[in-house]
Amino acid sequence: DTEVTQTPKHLVMGMTNKKSLKCEQHMGHRAMYWYKQKAKKPPELMFVYSYEKLSINESVPSRFSPECPNSSLLNLHLHALQPEDSALYLCASSQDYWVIDEQFFGPGTRLTVL
Amino acid sequence: TQLLEQSPQFLSIQEGENLTVYCNSSSVFSSLQWYRQEPGEGPVLLVTVVTGGEVKKLKRLTFQFGDARKDSSLHITAAQPGDTGLYLCAGPSGANSKLTFGKGITLSVRP
Repeated sequence: DTEVTQTPKHLVMGMTNKKSLKCEQHMGHRAMYWYKQKAKKPPELMFVYSYEKLSINESVPSRFSPECPNSSLLNLHLHALQPEDSALYLCASSQDYWVIDEQFFGPGTRLTVL
Repeated sequence: TQLLEQSPQFLSIQEGENLTVYCNSSSVFSSLQWYRQEPGEGPVLLVTVVTGGEVKKLKRLTFQFGDARKDSSLHITAAQPGDTGLYLCAGPSGANSKLTFGKGITLSVRP
């Protein structure tokens, strides 16, 4: 199983809502990532978890809150987002982090903030 | 942070044509990866090149890593509409070995 799954596929939320994005992988990977991607741009790294601990936060606003409940799951909690946060949010995983490895991406969640 | 420049930025060709696109840097990379991304989907890893001068083939796609490990090329033979997508190259850079992406090449293959 070389699949990274993400739910939901699409999400529309108001600026006062609280929602969560979910990501799951069963490849035994120990590193998981959140990226944000705007249309026709490359993915931008947001967070990296390595062995279930937050390793990197790319100065992401606190309205985005990541969580790694276990080695297979990664959540991104959203609160008080702005319209400019609308984007494709991608989850990825790799075997390890400190030894750079191929990253496998999920299909993404298309987020629209009204 | 090491930068990756991809060219051309956009390419529109007829089915059956051949094409070559590039990923260049002034810095040495320990490896480079190529991804293809379709609209609304996540990037799909096509190949990883590690050794300078390495050539890898994936059906009609041929990937080459430069001898100095500063650049890579992707050649597609007899392009098909299914090849349409955003092609991203990426490589580890910086103290934390974050994956740095190029800006991508948008390829459109017309039937």
